[in-house]
Amino acid sequence: GNSVTQMEGPVTLSEEAFLTINCTYTATGYPSLFWYVQYPGEGLQLLLKATKADDKGSNKGFEATYRKETTSFHLEKGSVQVSDSAVYFCALYDSGGGADGLTFGKGTHLIIQP
Amino acid sequence: KAGVTQTPRYLIKTRGQQVTLSCSPISGHRSVSWYQQTPGQGLQFLFEYFSETQRNKGNFPGRFSGRQFSNSRSEMNVSTLELGDSALYLCASRSGAGEKNIQYFGAGTRLSVL
Repeated sequence: GNSVTQMEGPVTLSEEAFLTINCTYTATGYPSLFWYVQYPGEGLQLLLKATKADDKGSNKGFEATYRKETTSFHLEKGSVQVSDSAVYFCALYDSGGGADGLTFGKGTHLIIQP
Repeated sequence: KAGVTQTPRYLIKTRGQQVTLSCSPISGHRSVSWYQQTPGQGLQFLFEYFSETQRNKGNFPGRFSGRQFSNSRSEMNVSTLELGDSALYLCASRSGAGEKNIQYFGAGTRLSVL
């Protein structure tokens, strides 16, 4: 079956530090990949996506590249802000694998200190 | 365009009761999916409805059921509540066409079972 693995954290960084959150996946078919962010007390917001190999998704200074050869979709940001503190979820949608909704990682709790 | 709306935001029930949660998708979206989020299990797919038909179902007992109406609004029902059903229940909608794999989430209904 499908699965997503990501570091759970918490990950604590200082403001303006470089961020990397690792995400690797296994999938039956050829999935689309996503990063969602969840702020306290809220639902999930789509942060960025990539639908095929070597695609780079980007939004709000965050980037992730779909690496089929390493089955990875690591999230990066060059300079984090306190407002980036949230839980980040890596997810995949595999329409060839039975389309059982999105498969999520456990989430990475990111804390940015001023 | 209004986002995904879930009602109510909070619910408190006792064991053995049943509960109904409601989700109004983004206008024009025909697919509604439901997810359960708990600290232990993370985000898990419950089921998806498309044009009033259940398309996919996750690995949950029959106490969890849903339906979709002709206006695409969806309800989820949980019967004979157990303590372990305490969770944040998230609804997501997608268009079913074009960028069909992108799901947009509501803020969730937080259910507490006492």
